Amino acid sequence: GEDVEQSLFLSVREGDSSVINCTYTDSSSTYLYWYKQEPGAGLQLLTYIFSNMDMKQDQRLTVLLNKKDKHLSLRIADTQTGDSAIYFCAASTGTASKLTFGTGTRLQVTL
Amino acid sequence: DVKVTQSSRYLVKRTGEKVFLECVQDMDHENMFWYRQDPGLGLRLIYFSYDVKMKEKGDIPEGYSVSREKKERFSLILESASTNQTSMYLCASSFGGVDQPQHFGDGTRLSIL
Repeated sequence: GEDVEQSLFLSVREGDSSVINCTYTDSSSTYLYWYKQEPGAGLQLLTYIFSNMDMKQDQRLTVLLNKKDKHLSLRIADTQTGDSAIYFCAASTGTASKLTFGTGTRLQVTL
Repeated sequence: DVKVTQSSRYLVKRTGEKVFLECVQDMDHENMFWYRQDPGLGLRLIYFSYDVKMKEKGDIPEGYSVSREKKERFSLILESASTNQTSMYLCASSFGGVDQPQHFGDGTRLSIL
């Protein structure tokens, strides 16, 4: 089955860019998602990309997809303290919106 | 705006009890999902449902069951709670189709003593 991997932790300074990386194994995954989880809350959908796209930009967020390497990244420009959270990458498994999630990357933003 | 509501934010139960976690969505979504979230393990799918009275096992169904009698409501049942079921439980819903994102509730933090 699908396996999705992320690094566990990333620390950046306020105002810098953050890049969170994700790899997946199933080349037939058609949609890839990024979710954000703030402390004590559920997951909030940030953005998603279809597998025939290379890039998607939405305000401060840029998603890059390298389908050949099965590598997905989320870039947050001008990172703010409010961006401190856990970020989850998820890949569709082709069955009615069923998703496989990574372990999550905890982003810490320092002053 | 999509609203997925889980009945309790925090719950404390005893070993051996039968525990019900409730989830309601207001967007007429066909699909509903139950996950548990544990540190370092991410989200693991317990059960999901494509329609009323339909259910499918996820990756870790042992010790759990589900019920979907109405389209908007999906219940997770711990038949006989054990301490290793202490976790954060997250409910999600979506429209049918591979391009439909899942929308999550705020989670229930369950402690089994």
